[in-house]
Amino acid sequence: LAKTTQPISMDSYEGQEVNITCSHNNIATNDYITWYQQFPSQGPRFIIQGYKTKVTNEVASLFIPADRKSSTLSLPRVSLSDTAVYYCLVGYGGATNKLIFGTGTLLAVQP
Amino acid sequence: GAVVSQHPSWVICKSGTSVKIECRSLDFQATTMFWYRQFPKQSLMLMATSNEGSKATYEQGVEKDKFLINHASLTLSTLTVTSAHPEDSSFYICSARDLGQGNSYEQYFGPGTRLTVT
Repeated sequence: LAKTTQPISMDSYEGQEVNITCSHNNIATNDYITWYQQFPSQGPRFIIQGYKTKVTNEVASLFIPADRKSSTLSLPRVSLSDTAVYYCLVGYGGATNKLIFGTGTLLAVQP
Repeated sequence: GAVVSQHPSWVICKSGTSVKIECRSLDFQATTMFWYRQFPKQSLMLMATSNEGSKATYEQGVEKDKFLINHASLTLSTLTVTSAHPEDSSFYICSARDLGQGNSYEQYFGPGTRLTVT
């Protein structure tokens, strides 16, 4: 299973764009990259998933370079409610695929 | 999207008693579910993989006789913490993947169960 490395914490202000980078040097050919958001005392919530290049949905964008050894989650115009822990995970999407969580990044958004 | 529920959402029990936590996939079937434990200000730690109709697979360091897992149907997995002690107090979270979503590899997480052992 690929190991991921993220910054432990980040600070931002409301309305700014936030980019959280994840390093996954030993990502396998079949691995997907998935980002989750977790608020205190809640289960993780799916944000976005990608395999290569760029993926965008209604809440975020995911940028993956050609070598796929890293990825960047981009949150446009963050608000106070985006304060949470963000986890980057890599893994093959089989039915029995285990998701191993890293330390995550605590994003603190200030007014 | 698919929904995973957990019951109870929180429970307080006395040391030495057993507690059962249920994990249900509400609108999809899951042959495999996962159980995690999370201590305050720490990341989620995978405890075991729950397989419908067969024995669970436990991660290294997790006592299978203490954390009993039963995957009785395609929509229900239970985790029983036997002879609970204060050090078992934690946030327990389950997850499952919707096999009916084609190429989606999204795993859905339950809301978690807060266990406090006094």
